[in-house]
Amino acid sequence: EAGVTQFPSHSVIEKGQTVTLRCDPISGHDNLYWYRRVMGKEIKFLLHFVKESKQDESGMPNNRFLAERTGGTYSTLKVQPAELEDSGVYFCASSQGRNPYGYTFGSGTRLTVV
Amino acid sequence: AQKITQTQPGMFVQEKEAVTLDCTYDTSDQSYGLFWYKQPSSGEMIFLIYQGSYDEQNATEGRYSLNFQKARKSANLVISASQLGDSAMYFCAMREGIHMRFGAGTRLTVKP
Repeated sequence: EAGVTQFPSHSVIEKGQTVTLRCDPISGHDNLYWYRRVMGKEIKFLLHFVKESKQDESGMPNNRFLAERTGGTYSTLKVQPAELEDSGVYFCASSQGRNPYGYTFGSGTRLTVV
Repeated sequence: AQKITQTQPGMFVQEKEAVTLDCTYDTSDQSYGLFWYKQPSSGEMIFLIYQGSYDEQNATEGRYSLNFQKARKSANLVISASQLGDSAMYFCAMREGIHMRFGAGTRLTVKP
């Protein structure tokens, strides 16, 4: 079984540019989550999809962040325009139901805004 | 809101010795779950161990055990017989609804 895949693994962009992160969850997992870790701080929840619907987007920092999950499969997280404080590691996770052992993270995308 | 506290930004341990990574939490929920994840330098988040709030016994998974003290609201991770490959960031987390709340992490370095 393939795990949660995130692309790219690293991205360096200039302030004001746009970046799109992609997450492919485990096949069949209806729940998809985005988290991020800003340098030296805790990992924070951004949002949660159930299939293609946004279930909870309370963690999205501002309207420069847009997440989509077309067709309930892969998800994208777009940052437009990027700011310096957006630098960090963006994690995606997926799960099928509330099974704690089924909550699987991807390897993350390290975003650096310069 | 729930809160997870990891007071040790960094820890060192000699290879083959045991190490305890601290985690305290704050919640008003009666039913909750606690997790530990390992993040090696390669970046992925690896699930290590889970403790349910109603579990009477401390969780164990191989060399990992969770010292769960419910009254103190602590869920410390114990790694026995440390190996060089255990060097990584370790995150304590609590399920909050259907998503997770994490601590700031502890960087563990195993010395040969």
